[in-house]
Amino acid sequence: AQTVTQSQPEMSVQEAETVTLSCTYDTSESDYYLFWYKQPPSRQMILVIRQEAYKQQNATENRFSVNFQKAAKSFSLKISDSQLGDAAMYFCAYRSAMAGGGADGLTFGKGTHLIIQP
Amino acid sequence: EAGVAQSPRYKIIEKRQSVAFWCNPISGHATLYWYQQILGQGPKLLIQFQNNGVVDDSQLPKDRFSAERLKGVDSTLKIQPAKLEDSAVYLCASSLVGPTEAFFGQGTRLTVV
Repeated sequence: AQTVTQSQPEMSVQEAETVTLSCTYDTSESDYYLFWYKQPPSRQMILVIRQEAYKQQNATENRFSVNFQKAAKSFSLKISDSQLGDAAMYFCAYRSAMAGGGADGLTFGKGTHLIIQP
Repeated sequence: EAGVAQSPRYKIIEKRQSVAFWCNPISGHATLYWYQQILGQGPKLLIQFQNNGVVDDSQLPKDRFSAERLKGVDSTLKIQPAKLEDSAVYLCASSLVGPTEAFFGQGTRLTVV
């Protein structure tokens, strides 16, 4: 079974600065997807960014980028120019691309609470 | 485009009572997931449907939890009887078949007293 570990329960950053959230995972599979989700107090999970394991190039989405190190099984999220609206819980998640029968539910880490200080 | 709809938003019940949650996925999404999110933890997959068939229910406590997806559209998740440890947010998500984005609803917060 796959596991996802987020070792930072809480992170704090000044508005307009850069912050990096850490995530490591454990899997024996060679093909999979990794995601970062944002969960504000409204509880709705919002996809921030995704990375396909077969792609060497790190994904970027505007102010959000990842550092994907496949050999180290590390998948960190960098948020540049932090904004007050970025404050939320951030979850790292793993999805198998090899499970039989189409089973592709997400395995989540415990989350990192991101605080943005004005 | 309408998102994933869930109801109710909140529910408080006594232990040993029954409760049911409803989910209406995005139109055209064949895959539907139910997740349980206990306070302070990430969501945990309970069950995955593709159309009206179960793809994965390996983490569903089948002695008390049940789920169905009528006609491959709406879904209900039931707990009977509820225990204190079932207090959590229950999230529904849907997606197209394959490695596409899963869209989440706002969840139902269940409190068992």
